[in-house]
Amino acid sequence: ETGVTQSPTHLIKTRGQQVTLRCSSQSGHNTVSWYQQALGQGPQFIFQYYREEENGRGNFPPRFSGLQFPNYSSELNVNALELDDSALYLCASSLQDRVNGYTFGSGTRLTVV
Amino acid sequence: EDQVTQSPEALRLQEGESSSLNCSYTVSGLRGLFWYRQDPGKGPEFLFTLYSAGEEKEKERLKATLTKKESFLHITAPKPEDSATYLCAGGGYQKVTFGIGTKLQVIP
Repeated sequence: ETGVTQSPTHLIKTRGQQVTLRCSSQSGHNTVSWYQQALGQGPQFIFQYYREEENGRGNFPPRFSGLQFPNYSSELNVNALELDDSALYLCASSLQDRVNGYTFGSGTRLTVV
Repeated sequence: EDQVTQSPEALRLQEGESSSLNCSYTVSGLRGLFWYRQDPGKGPEFLFTLYSAGEEKEKERLKATLTKKESFLHITAPKPEDSATYLCAGGGYQKVTFGIGTKLQVIP
């Protein structure tokens, strides 16, 4: 059973640029959720994808968008990067309609300069 | 608005000194209360899901309990390898709300 894989592990971008982060979900999981974790804070819900559609969204602006593919992998896209977007971005996979804990990836550390 | 509050923010224990971490929550439509462990620079690692008040779950030196308003993570005779940030979270099928975490340091 493979876990959740995220790429890249680290990334440095300039303010105003765009970034794409990638996630491969755990085998057998059909739902992917993305979280943003600022330094010293708990993870904050960005959105969730199920059946290739957004299935819930937190308080993040539209410049945060995502995709889910038929193999359940997912992308997080952030446009017009701001300095406050610097954070650890976590991908979590799960089974829809099951209230179990997530399986998280190790995250992508994004630094915006 | 959903809220999860953890205390203390940081805890320093001697090896073998038992203690408890607190999590108070206000989450609408709560279907599960979760505990995770997070090591520096890593993603959270799932520990427990609690579904209803009165439920308890154990794993090695950790025991999690749940009431209608709070959850506790009891750590018995901790070892240095238990040093990590422990996150509490509540939610349902979609959004899960996390607390800020308790950073635990266990000193040999």
